[in-house]
Amino acid sequence: AQSVAQPEDQVNVAEGNPLTVKCTYSVSGNPYLFWYVQYPNRGLQFLLKYITGDNLVKGSYGFEAEFNKSQTSFHLKKPSALVSDSALYFCAVMGYNFNKFYFGSGTKLNVKP
Amino acid sequence: DGGITQSPKYLFRKEGQNVTLSCEQNLNHDAMYWYRQDPGQGLRLIYYSQIVNDFQKGDIAEGYSVSREKKESFPLTVTSAQKNPTAFYLCASRSGGDQETQYFGPGTRLLVL
Repeated sequence: AQSVAQPEDQVNVAEGNPLTVKCTYSVSGNPYLFWYVQYPNRGLQFLLKYITGDNLVKGSYGFEAEFNKSQTSFHLKKPSALVSDSALYFCAVMGYNFNKFYFGSGTKLNVKP
Repeated sequence: DGGITQSPKYLFRKEGQNVTLSCEQNLNHDAMYWYRQDPGQGLRLIYYSQIVNDFQKGDIAEGYSVSREKKESFPLTVTSAQKNPTAFYLCASRSGGDQETQYFGPGTRLLVL
């Protein structure tokens, strides 16, 4: 079965500090992993994806994610948080038949000035 | 949100009424999806379509119906059988390659009068 888990409902960080939003996955076969961001009353925006290759993936708005096969994790990171990064973040995995995406429950990121 | 439009932004449904949510994409994507988002529950798949004139049920298809008569359009009807329709509805699309990203529209919020 394909699934992702986001163990933290909320993450609080001060502006300028590094941030990490956690995601773990369970897949059959090679994992295709994605991060999205959602601002209030808006659709999801694509941030980055891991398909194959380097374990550190760089994406939009200075975000990056580290794929760790042994820990089945794909944590989202940013070296220096901005107040404008405050939003809801979703991790997702593509199903083995490439037809369906499975989303985590989301993590609300609060960046305080 | 570019390339995928959803209308209306807000929709009010009376008890016993069927309502239809529109989703249009100009990205020439083969696959289209409908998700329901409730607070704290992430995204749940309602229906998806990989090609014109074909669609499959997702995890929560009961009380919903779809059609895919044109590649660019994938309307969702919320029927009177859906007893708890209040939610944020998101449409998404992706091209057919196995490494392709899913992109989202801006969403429609459905409220019950």
